[in-house]
Amino acid sequence: NAGVMQNPRHLVRRRGQEARLRCSPVKGHSHVYWYRQLPEEGLKFMVYLQKENIIDESGMPKERFSAEFPKEGPSILRIQQVVRGDSAAYFCASSGWGVETQYFGPGTRLLVL
Amino acid sequence: ELKVEQNPLFLSMQEGKNYTIYCNYSTTSDRLYWYRQDPGKSLESLFVLLSNGAVKQEGRLMASLDTKARLSTLHITAAVHDLSATYFCASVVSNAGKSTFGDGTTLTVKP
Repeated sequence: NAGVMQNPRHLVRRRGQEARLRCSPVKGHSHVYWYRQLPEEGLKFMVYLQKENIIDESGMPKERFSAEFPKEGPSILRIQQVVRGDSAAYFCASSGWGVETQYFGPGTRLLVL
Repeated sequence: ELKVEQNPLFLSMQEGKNYTIYCNYSTTSDRLYWYRQDPGKSLESLFVLLSNGAVKQEGRLMASLDTKARLSTLHITAAVHDLSATYFCASVVSNAGKSTFGDGTTLTVKP
């Protein structure tokens, strides 16, 4: 009974490159959330997706960031033209329904050189 | 916009002592969560509180919720070193689905 899986666990990119972060939710969960945690800070909401739909992207930067949760396959958080300020831990969480307990993945730690 | 504030942000305590972490939230919440995070790790769910007056306990940790005061507390009894970690509270409003987190309380328990 696998929990939320994220890969890669660690990702190093140079400024200007693209970062793709993947999240496989708990089996049967159709709601996915992405959060960002900057060093020494709390988690900040980025985007909430259901299968093939973006429900709430109010926490997502307007430029360079995008997210999707296709009908098949994992959810993807894509960061284009990364900058050093994008260095953070990115956590994915999933739930069965919008208000049920969210289960967090192990996170992807992105380092931008 | 929902805001969640925790205090203190840093807490250093001796083993065997008691202390309380406070979590205030600004608007009506449907669920209040407490999480633990160890350095470099993900979040471990500790408690979920659903209704006014809810109290939950697990080992040396006890969480409570006062929806009228918009306040949740995490009480630590007779702290031990293994409790050293960062503790987050998070509030969920049903229509939103997303969790709004406090900034966390970093707890250090000294022998």
